[in-house]
Amino acid sequence: AQSVTQLGSHVSVSEGALVLLRCNYSSSVPPYLFWYVQYPNQGLQLLLKYTTGATLVKGINGFEAEFKKSETSFHLTKPSAHMSDAAEYFCAVSDYSGGYQKVTFGTGTKLQVIP
Amino acid sequence: EAQVTQNPRYLITVTGKKLTVTCSQNMNHEYMSWYRQDPGLGLRQIYYSMNVEVTDKGDVPEGYKVSRKEKRNFPLILESPSPNQTSLYFCASSLQPVNEQFFGPGTRLTVL
Repeated sequence: AQSVTQLGSHVSVSEGALVLLRCNYSSSVPPYLFWYVQYPNQGLQLLLKYTTGATLVKGINGFEAEFKKSETSFHLTKPSAHMSDAAEYFCAVSDYSGGYQKVTFGTGTKLQVIP
Repeated sequence: EAQVTQNPRYLITVTGKKLTVTCSQNMNHEYMSWYRQDPGLGLRQIYYSMNVEVTDKGDVPEGYKVSRKEKRNFPLILESPSPNQTSLYFCASSLQPVNEQFFGPGTRLTVL
């Protein structure tokens, strides 16, 4: 069965500092991996996704993530945090489970950006 | 505009009173899913549907029902709501599970 672990339910960074949000997954087959962002009182929207090919994936708003198969990780980074990045971030994995393709989300990481 | 709509957005009800939360998408997506979001637990999948008349349980299906009679609609039914179903509910759709999911705005449900 697939699973997703996000280390740190809350992360605080200073404005302009590096953002690093961690995600580790388990999957029996090569997975599809996603990062979604949720702004307050809104639904989730896709930041970026990895399917196949290049392991460094670039997304919206300057975010990127690197798929590392050996470490079963898909950490999200941004070189310089903006105040507008304050939100909750969810990592998700999709693979086959019981004959159907299924999506599992992590528990989320709330990012606080300090002025 | 491509979107997923949910109704109602907010609902306060009492234990045992049947309710339905509607979900509709206008993108001709095959895959639709319901999630509940609770603090510290992230999003947990309730039910999903691969296509019309094809539905399956997610991780937390107890106390919920769904149906998929038309491609665009995927209602969530609580036949006898209980306080532990107080939560924020999201409907989502995508072409296939491996594709980006588009989320509705959420329905905040309180069961007294």
